[in-house]
Amino acid sequence: GQNIDQPTEMTATEGAIVQINCTYQTSGFNGLFWYQQHAGEAPTFLSYNVLDGLEEKGRFSSFLSRSKGYSYLLLKELQMKDSASYLCAVISNDYKLSFGAGTTVTVRA
Amino acid sequence: IAGITQAPTSQILAAGRRMTLRCTQDMRHNAMYWYRQDLGLGLRLIHYSNTAGTTGKGEVPDGYSVSRANTDDFPLTLASAVPSQTSVYFCASSETTYNEQFFGPGTRLTVL
Repeated sequence: GQNIDQPTEMTATEGAIVQINCTYQTSGFNGLFWYQQHAGEAPTFLSYNVLDGLEEKGRFSSFLSRSKGYSYLLLKELQMKDSASYLCAVISNDYKLSFGAGTTVTVRA
Repeated sequence: IAGITQAPTSQILAAGRRMTLRCTQDMRHNAMYWYRQDLGLGLRLIHYSNTAGTTGKGEVPDGYSVSRANTDDFPLTLASAVPSQTSVYFCASSETTYNEQFFGPGTRLTVL
């Protein structure tokens, strides 16, 4: 089976930076996604990494190291609206997406 | 409509009843998926369809069935609902199996 681990909860202050780590052990690898999910809403796509390195998109960046089975999502200049769950998901060899349990980020004023 | 829709938004169902959750997308995506989301367990894949006319089993398929008669629709059927199927169900679609997935708003199902 697939094993995707990420911290359950993180708290940070408005304007700060938070890094959400994700480690994975899957049967093959065809890409890693990060999704954001606000309470009571559907997940929405944030980023996709398939090669090693950093992908930057405005205040959000995502990093991947395939050899270490590791990714992180970096949220800069935190805003109150960034309070949400962040889901790490991996596409394995059979092209199915497996999700971690999600990290709930709380931004405090 | 634009994007992906699900119906109903929420439902309370007696155990043993049959229920079909509807999902429709208008993006002409080839692949569609059904997930359930339970507290602490994250999203788990129930069934998927890589293209119209084909379906496959995900991580937790027991007690559920799907069909994909055309590109746009992907209904999920619970033949005889049980309380452990109480969950939030999300339908999703993607252009291909390795593109990002777009999620519907979800159906909150309670089985008593």
